Amino acid sequence: GENVEQHPSTLSVQEGDSAVIKCTYSDSASNYFPWYKQELGKRPQLIIDIRSNVGEKKDQRIAVTLNKTAKHFSLHITETQPEDSAVYFCAASRGPLKTIFGAGTRLFVKA
Amino acid sequence: EAGVAQSPRYKIIEKRQSVAFWCNPISGHATLYWYQQILGQGPKLLIQFQNNGVVDDSQLPKDRFSAERLKGVDSTLKIQPAKLEDSAVYLCASSSVPYEQYFGPGTRLTVT
Repeated sequence: GENVEQHPSTLSVQEGDSAVIKCTYSDSASNYFPWYKQELGKRPQLIIDIRSNVGEKKDQRIAVTLNKTAKHFSLHITETQPEDSAVYFCAASRGPLKTIFGAGTRLFVKA
Repeated sequence: EAGVAQSPRYKIIEKRQSVAFWCNPISGHATLYWYQQILGQGPKLLIQFQNNGVVDDSQLPKDRFSAERLKGVDSTLKIQPAKLEDSAVYLCASSSVPYEQYFGPGTRLTVT
């Protein structure tokens, strides 16, 4: 079946450094790629998303890039802060359908 | 705007028992999703409704899981009988155009 692979599973950075999380998807019909942040014991919350007609999107310290040919998309967080510590999930879907999540990346930002 | 509501928040049952979860989506959201999130993993889609019709239940273990969405608003997810491997957080989400999913707080199920 279709899947989304996410790497790394754990990422530890110093406060102020950048963090990059990468995902690869298998369903070539996927056209919507959201990223969710989940703090311990809380619900996933959308932090940024990108559609297949766009190669890059930025929102303050967060950016997402998409390479449709390679079926890769990545999350970039700059100037990391301790409050960025959480589990981040990528996902891929065909519009509102067939949403598949990656396994998650646990990000630790050390002060 | 009120968020997605779920109840109960926690449930502990013995294997072979049955359990039901309830979800109230954001008002006006036509699409409702149920996910299973096992500890340390990403959410896995179990079933998706568009209004009160099922659009995807390909990953729902239909021998033991069932779900319904009456009148296109609230939804219930039932497990009968439960197995140990059903221990997980069950997340409900809703969305409207353009696809952003809003998640509820989840129900943590422990099967002993």
